[in-house]
Amino acid sequence: DAGVIQSPRHEVTEMGQEVTLRCKPISGHNSLFWYRQTMMRGLELLIYFNNNVPIDDSGMPEDRFSAKMPNASFSTLKIQPSEPRDSAVYFCASSRTGFDEQYFGPGTRLTVT
Amino acid sequence: GEDVEQSLFLSVREGDSSVINCTYTDSSSTYLYWYKQEPGAGLQLLTYIFSNMDMKQDQRLTVLLNKKDKHLSLRIADTQTGDSAIYFCAESKNSSGSARQLTFGSGTQLTVLP
Repeated sequence: DAGVIQSPRHEVTEMGQEVTLRCKPISGHNSLFWYRQTMMRGLELLIYFNNNVPIDDSGMPEDRFSAKMPNASFSTLKIQPSEPRDSAVYFCASSRTGFDEQYFGPGTRLTVT
Repeated sequence: GEDVEQSLFLSVREGDSSVINCTYTDSSSTYLYWYKQEPGAGLQLLTYIFSNMDMKQDQRLTVLLNKKDKHLSLRIADTQTGDSAIYFCAESKNSSGSARQLTFGSGTQLTVLP
């Protein structure tokens, strides 16, 4: 299996622009997690899905952030409009049932100038 | 305060043992994990321990859990330069929801010196 796939690996954008991060979970996994990693706050869970349904989005920082999972093999995390403080590495992870090991993707490094 | 705490840095000589420590606050934690993150990569699960265990060994890795003190440690025997990475401790609780949510520590940067 190719593992969790994220794109792009790096994104540089200007403040105010829309940013879309993409994730393809491991085939057969029915839970998907979005995390954000910063020096100041470490690794934080933003939102997770189970069977394509958002279960807990309490970690999403503000209304500028939204996440979707239109099918079992694809999820997006959108930031609109982006701000410099959104600069971070965003990880997607998937697990077989939600209670099993979470497999992490390589992350997307976002820089907002 | 943070739910999971770790020291930020550790340096050891190649061939020595490394011990990375972690404390957590939630006594209802059911699983405790150690993840490794190499530069530019995602987190990789190294090992985990169930809360009713006090030790788990897997090749060069030994996990010790002191549930009374809420202290977890990861010992890496015969540390190699390839072990240089950031190591994250994480806890999870049984959830009535549909997934086990993890709370991560800040990570310990392990540097192995030749």
